[in-house]
Amino acid sequence: SQKIEQNSEALNIQEGKTATLTCNYTNYSPAYLQWYRQDPGRGPVFLLLIRENEKEKRKERLKVTFDTTLKQSLFHITASQPADSATYLCALAGTSGTYNYIFGTGTRLKVLA
Amino acid sequence: SAVISQKPSRDICQRGTSLTIQCQVDSQVTMMFWYRQQPGQSLTLIATANQGSEATYESGFVIDKFPISRPNLTFSTLTVSNMSPEDSSIYLCSVGTTSYEQYFGPGTRLTVT
Repeated sequence: SQKIEQNSEALNIQEGKTATLTCNYTNYSPAYLQWYRQDPGRGPVFLLLIRENEKEKRKERLKVTFDTTLKQSLFHITASQPADSATYLCALAGTSGTYNYIFGTGTRLKVLA
Repeated sequence: SAVISQKPSRDICQRGTSLTIQCQVDSQVTMMFWYRQQPGQSLTLIATANQGSEATYESGFVIDKFPISRPNLTFSTLTVSNMSPEDSSIYLCSVGTTSYEQYFGPGTRLTVT
């Protein structure tokens, strides 16, 4: 069955360092992938979308890579700040034009001051 | 991005009763969706709310249990019917854009006792 894996353990890093979060998937060929941020008690906030034919996407301090051979996406936050502390979700969708995203359970990031 | 509000933000309900959750968007949108996020779980798509026609439900979700209305392009409701403790969850509405981004409401936290 289709499966998305994100590290369920919290990731603690020091302020100013680069945080790298991983999203692995199996039995799936997504057309595109998204990353969201979710704070406790709030709805997810859209961050970045990357298509299957794109290797890398950047937005300010954020960078996403998408390797369809490895079936993996990496999400980087450079110069991390305590305000970046949140849970980060990845979501995959298989067919262009559909919104049936499959979400991972998320990785909790804590940036230490 | 659209501003999305949900009402109520939280509720505690008795088993066997029903709760209707409202989702209001500050602009007209074509795509609206309802998700469920159970404790410690990822988001699961319940259905796509179609304006002027019946909602499209995902596998495992049925109209009798989760009736959805979409009277216009800015508003939708989700009813959780005949509730049981297993329905305790966060319910989220979202809107989709033509570039396949999704924007979520703040969520409704439901506890069924």
